[in-house]
Amino acid sequence: DGGITQSPKYLFRKEGQNVTLSCEQNLNHDAMYWYRQDPGQGLRLIYYSQIVNDFQKGDIAEGYSVSREKKESFPLTVTSAQKNPTAFYLCASSIDRRGNDYGYTFGSGTRLTVV
Amino acid sequence: QQQVKQSPQSLIVQKGGISIINCAYENTAFDYFPWYQQFPGKGPALLIAIRPDVSEKKEGRFTISFNKSAKQFSLHIMDSQPGDSATYFCAARSGGAGSYQLTFGKGTKLSVIP
Repeated sequence: DGGITQSPKYLFRKEGQNVTLSCEQNLNHDAMYWYRQDPGQGLRLIYYSQIVNDFQKGDIAEGYSVSREKKESFPLTVTSAQKNPTAFYLCASSIDRRGNDYGYTFGSGTRLTVV
Repeated sequence: QQQVKQSPQSLIVQKGGISIINCAYENTAFDYFPWYQQFPGKGPALLIAIRPDVSEKKEGRFTISFNKSAKQFSLHIMDSQPGDSATYFCAARSGGAGSYQLTFGKGTKLSVIP
């Protein structure tokens, strides 16, 4: 089955530690996105990438970094500079061409907790 | 700033009733309006979507009503069931091929009580 796989499902981070969240898709989608979800805040865009080796900052990129070395993969690193990283992180992908009405496909998320 | 305003924040409906969630936007360049359904601990899933040249779209118990002049759209869930209890997000798309982005509302938590 095609889809997006996020791992791990739960992740615990110590203060001052960098952690990397994995996102892999086998949908052959062009674009990939990372969102952060907090209660009552909706979905806020962290980073997105339309093509390999290119990515753009979203609304809340500070304290995060990404890479897009392969079309299928878009890992997110939460750095120690992110002061409030506890949240639910969602990865999504989409076909990025004119006429696409399929919207985004989301992964099942990673819940990150600072301990 | 591109925004999509969603209301209400939470909604309680009796089983069999109609659930209505509203969204409003300002950017007339938005060209696609999807709704997503999210269950606790899961990622959102596309529920139904509409383009601005259509005033209504129905899929089963779910209907989107779209008012282009008022820049508003809404989701109606007919005969609401306890299994519909979830968080619903409206969204709007901007950009062109190679730069599409979705802007999401803040979500509505729907509880359908027996």
